[in-house]
Amino acid sequence: GESVGLHLPTLSVQEGDNSIINCAYSNSASDYFIWYKQESGKGPQFIIDIRSNMDKRQGQRVTVLLNKTVKHLSLQIAATQPGDSAVYFCAENKATSGSRLTFGEGTQLTVNP
Amino acid sequence: DADVTQTPRNRITKTGKRIMLECSQTKGHDRMYWYRQDPGLGLRLIYYSFDVKDINKGEISDGYSVSRQAQAKFSLSLESAIPNQTALYFCATAGAAAYTQYFGPGTRLTVL
Repeated sequence: GESVGLHLPTLSVQEGDNSIINCAYSNSASDYFIWYKQESGKGPQFIIDIRSNMDKRQGQRVTVLLNKTVKHLSLQIAATQPGDSAVYFCAENKATSGSRLTFGEGTQLTVNP
Repeated sequence: DADVTQTPRNRITKTGKRIMLECSQTKGHDRMYWYRQDPGLGLRLIYYSFDVKDINKGEISDGYSVSRQAQAKFSLSLESAIPNQTALYFCATAGAAAYTQYFGPGTRLTVL
């Protein structure tokens, strides 16, 4: 079946380093890919999205890369801070499915001081 | 004040009981969703609604029902709770950019 999944369940980095969180997807018909951040005890929070006709999009300290050839999505966080510690989910959306999102399993990012 | 609120935040109940989880939003969004999250897993869609007259099943709707009482309110019911419905439940809303969803703080439900 179609799915969105992550390569690694956990990632530990030093404060100030750059972080890269990866996601593999199998549905090439998706129109948008989205990254969400979920802090402990809270609901997921939108970080950044990328449309399927793009290969890179930048936000504040974050960059999302989309490689449709290998169906791979990544989230890069520059100068990682302790407040970045959270679980990060990728999700995909197909316009024909309305606004349904399919979420991956999540990567736990831990930032060490 | 939070844009998306959920009540209760925590609930412990017994097998066979009827449970209602409530969600309210002040964002003025038409689209509302209920998701379930299990430990170590991503979110799975239970039901979603595009407006008060539109209700749609998600990927795991069995054992659940919903009611869209108003644009701002979307409730999830477990008619007869079972232990494998123990999970974290999230409500979300979306506006025109439907892939940008705004989540509530979640309800932790334990069914004994």
